[in-house]
Amino acid sequence: SQQGEEDPQALSIQEGENATMNCSYKTSINNLQWYRQNSGRGLVHLILIRSNEREKHSGRLRVTLDTSKKSSSLLITASRAADTASYFCATENYGQNFVFGPGTRLSVLP
Amino acid sequence: GAGVSQTPSNKVTEKGKYVELRCDPISGHTALYWYRQSLGQGPEFLIYFQGTGAADDSGLPNDRFFAVRPEGSVSTLKIQRTERGDSAVYLCASSLAGDQDTQYFGPGTRLTVL
Repeated sequence: SQQGEEDPQALSIQEGENATMNCSYKTSINNLQWYRQNSGRGLVHLILIRSNEREKHSGRLRVTLDTSKKSSSLLITASRAADTASYFCATENYGQNFVFGPGTRLSVLP
Repeated sequence: GAGVSQTPSNKVTEKGKYVELRCDPISGHTALYWYRQSLGQGPEFLIYFQGTGAADDSGLPNDRFFAVRPEGSVSTLKIQRTERGDSAVYLCASSLAGDQDTQYFGPGTRLTVL
């Protein structure tokens, strides 16, 4: 079963706009990670946020984590056509394995 | 250095046949994971190795699926008596030590069972 649920399922924006994707989960976690996947093949790790952290930045990416609401958001600023991909959140609880959500398909239109 | 590699990149087989999928993790990574991904879905966990042993095989769907990692490096996922429902992309990932480490994914093997 998949714990993480990304929202929206699909998102289409213009180049230069910001894209926000959300992830909700059900049980307590040790960390939450965001991945990008192009063309249905290998996943690329974007960012890891631990349960005691509230916000992390990496380049144009900003991730927040609200453990009280069991949710996380991924913000991509100043989007580019190359950001077009599927984005997945994955949750990890101690001693258990990654559980991925179904993903958000982002399309950035030039 | 080299990333995770998987072979073959594509595999087409007939229903009832046996297939083997190979994963070469990043050198020095002790943890290795297998996932299966169907179209439009997120990766689904199959099995996790720590060194040579399977630390968690709870995701294997049935006894037709088996995986080995005899020397703690390369791993092979084996599927017996393949069924059309086994068609998916099979992803392998490795991490340095396991818990709370970043997982690095290979490009996947696309398995098609006719």
